[in-house]
Amino acid sequence: AAGVIQSPRHLIKEKRETATLKCYPIPRHDTVYWYQQGPGQDPQFLISFYEKMQSDKGSIPDRFSAQQFSDYHSELNMSSLELGDSALYFCASSQGRRGNTEAFFGQGTRLTVV
Amino acid sequence: QKEVEQDPGPLSVPEGAIVSLNCTYSNSAFQYFMWYRQYSRKGPELLMYTYSSGNKEDGRFTAQVDKSSKYISLFIRDSQPSDSATYLCAMKRSNDYKLSFGAGTTVTVRA
Repeated sequence: AAGVIQSPRHLIKEKRETATLKCYPIPRHDTVYWYQQGPGQDPQFLISFYEKMQSDKGSIPDRFSAQQFSDYHSELNMSSLELGDSALYFCASSQGRRGNTEAFFGQGTRLTVV
Repeated sequence: QKEVEQDPGPLSVPEGAIVSLNCTYSNSAFQYFMWYRQYSRKGPELLMYTYSSGNKEDGRFTAQVDKSSKYISLFIRDSQPSDSATYLCAMKRSNDYKLSFGAGTTVTVRA
């Protein structure tokens, strides 16, 4: 079965640079979520989109922005990168409004800021 | 204090044993409860998804939710070395998009 696809899988950036992470949800899934997981930490919710509109917002820094496109894929844009942004970034997708269905996670993008 | 508490372990059991994992939570509005398995440097894999109180069984996995006690459990029967991973509980309120995770319990099944 098709899963959530994230790209790139690994990314190394310098401080103050910009990074763009991409997420392709499971076919027919209309909701995407972004999570950040630091080393030894549980995933922290950043933001979600339903039908291309922001549906919920968590602890996403102002330096980050995200959007969902007409084909339902999503991009997380991260600017003015800081060392503390180094983490695993996961995208998840689900089907249906209000998120009351199972959310399936991608394999993540490992971002290293040096 | 976190909304969801989970003992990080580590938990080490011999092959074939029953693995018992649990989480407690403070937000009585949580209605959906999930267990994810995460291998090192991989994405969380959904194991169990339940709504409200009750039990759910899927193969070797049994999930229990006791909303009156704000306590959820996951049992893994006949554990295998391939079950060695970190197990994360997660939960959400109805009509919310955000999942609140526990810290994860690291499990090692010894051959």
